[in-house]
Amino acid sequence: GENVEQHPSTLSVQEGDSAVIKCTYSDSASNYFPWYKQELGKGPQLIIDIRSNVGEKKDQRIAVTLNKTAKHFSLHITETQPEDSAVYFCAAIQTGNQFYFGTGTSLTVIP
Amino acid sequence: NAGVMQNPRHLVRRRGQEARLRCSPMKGHSHVYWYRQLPEEGLKFMVYLQKENIIDESGMPKERFSAEFPKEGPSILRIQQVVRGDSAAYFCASSQGPNNSPLHFGNGTRLTVT
Repeated sequence: GENVEQHPSTLSVQEGDSAVIKCTYSDSASNYFPWYKQELGKGPQLIIDIRSNVGEKKDQRIAVTLNKTAKHFSLHITETQPEDSAVYFCAAIQTGNQFYFGTGTSLTVIP
Repeated sequence: NAGVMQNPRHLVRRRGQEARLRCSPMKGHSHVYWYRQLPEEGLKFMVYLQKENIIDESGMPKERFSAEFPKEGPSILRIQQVVRGDSAAYFCASSQGPNNSPLHFGNGTRLTVT
């Protein structure tokens, strides 16, 4: 099966700075890579996703990049705000298969 | 425009009792996934179901745990004879289909076994 590794496990940034979270995957057949944000006491919420035929995708302050050759993808959050504080999960999926999640990154934005 | 609905939000059971967790997927979604999350840990896959079919149960413990997604009604995750180690948050997610459709999660059921 797929193995997804996520780094760092914790990340603290000053408000206004950028945050970067990185994930690697093992199975070259994986072709869909979503990112989820989980706030305390809630379920994970999809914030952005990328498919294997695209190298980069951006949505306002959030962007995701994918390097298929190196089998890694990253989440970039610019101009961070306190409300960005949460746990972020990456995932890698092959068509029709289950979602394999990373172990999560706890992001703290310091006002 | 309801999202994935899980109930109850909190469930307390004594050791040896049964726990039944319910999940109603988003409208139009026919695929349901169950995940388990321990405090400060990631999401562990348990089972993937379509209506009346279990597609992948490779993450389910062999004993005491079962899941169903009947033709009518919510998906049910059932834990028999609960033990303290079953205490966790259980999340349900749904999607439109297997072709890389995004998963939409509910807010979970927090099971506490006393």
